[in-house]
Amino acid sequence: NAGVMQNPRHLVRRRGQEARLRCSPMKGHSHVYWYRQLPEEGLKFMVYLQKENIIDESGMPKERFSAEFPKEGPSILRIQQVVRGDSAAYFCASSPRAPGDSRGTEAFFGQGTRLTVV
Amino acid sequence: EDQVTQSPEALRLQEGESSSLNCSYTVSGLRGLFWYRQDPGKGPEFLFTLYSAGEEKEKERLKATLTKKESFLHITAPKPEDSATYLCAVLLSNQAGTALIFGKGTTLSVSS
Repeated sequence: NAGVMQNPRHLVRRRGQEARLRCSPMKGHSHVYWYRQLPEEGLKFMVYLQKENIIDESGMPKERFSAEFPKEGPSILRIQQVVRGDSAAYFCASSPRAPGDSRGTEAFFGQGTRLTVV
Repeated sequence: EDQVTQSPEALRLQEGESSSLNCSYTVSGLRGLFWYRQDPGKGPEFLFTLYSAGEEKEKERLKATLTKKESFLHITAPKPEDSATYLCAVLLSNQAGTALIFGKGTTLSVSS
């Protein structure tokens, strides 16, 4: 049973380009979360999606960032017109159940995509 | 403002020297507290979930406990392979509590 798969593992973009980060959740998981981790900082929540729906995007910057989780295929985090401050590790996590489900809501993380903007 | 604080930031232990890591939280409601382990360059690895005060979970040399305001991760007779950053996260019960809120972590180094 493969874990959460993220690709690419490393991504280098020039300022102004677009970055696309992909996440395939664990089999049977329909809940996906995206987090950003900066050096010396904790993981920061960005967005929570359930198949074809954005449930909570309260941690997502209002401009340049978007996320989707289509019916078929991986979840995508898209960053348009990247700037140096976007350089970070982006992690995806998946869960089989919604937050607060009494059966447990553990989230399992991928290995991350390290974005470097030059 | 909701906050998760982990202490110490860094901890150095000798192999076999037991200790505890702390995670304190100031939240308006808690639906769960999670512990993860993160190795350099890797994603967080799930360890435990605790849901109510008084609950305890164990896995090998690790034991997690939960009170109303904090959680402890006890490490008994650690080995060098236990060296990692340990992350604590809470799941809130308010309307915006759809995701885990993480502390900054405790970086543990165990030397032989």
